[in-house]
Amino acid sequence: AQSVAQPEDQVNVAEGNPLTVKCTYSVSGNPYLFWYVQYPNRGLQFLLKYITGDNLVKGSYGFEAEFNKSQTSFHLKKPSALVSDSALYFCAVRDARGGATNKLIFGTGTLLAVQP
Amino acid sequence: EAGVVQSPRYKIIEKKQPVAFWCNPISGHNTLYWYLQNLGQGPELLIRYENEEAVDDSQLPKDRFSAERLKGVDSTLKIQPAELGDSAVYLCASSLGQGARNEQFFGPGTRLTVL
Repeated sequence: AQSVAQPEDQVNVAEGNPLTVKCTYSVSGNPYLFWYVQYPNRGLQFLLKYITGDNLVKGSYGFEAEFNKSQTSFHLKKPSALVSDSALYFCAVRDARGGATNKLIFGTGTLLAVQP
Repeated sequence: EAGVVQSPRYKIIEKKQPVAFWCNPISGHNTLYWYLQNLGQGPELLIRYENEEAVDDSQLPKDRFSAERLKGVDSTLKIQPAELGDSAVYLCASSLGQGARNEQFFGPGTRLTVL
């Protein structure tokens, strides 16, 4: 069975400092990994994904994530945080093998708070 | 390009009443998803459509929930009768193609409150 863990309910960081939002996953086959961001009263917005290839994936708004197969992790990072990055971040995993009942599994989310 | 459209944005009903949510996916996206998001949780899939066919409805509580996607475009999710525990945000998403690697695009959601 697939699962995703986001061990931190909240991450606090000062504006201009680097940020990391952690994610670990479990899947039987190879993983497809995604990061989404959710602003208040809005739907989820796609940030980036890992499918195959380079372990460092770059996405929207200066975010990047590093796929680490040995640690089954896909941490989200940004070199310099902005106050406007404050939002709820979701990691998600899907088994690359596909199938009718193969679905995207989301973590519980991490609230990122960037202080001015 | 217009995103995924959902209506209504908010709905407040009494328990045991019926309620329906509507979704219009991104043009050309043949895969449509309905998710349930409880407060403080990630979205959980209720049903997935490939065109007009429901290919995964294993998580849909079929005693009270139903969905349809006539003509393979717009979709409606219905609850009848609603219970207090159904209070949540109902998200619709769509994706291009049916591959597991395709990212999903989400609508703003419908926040349902059952009193």
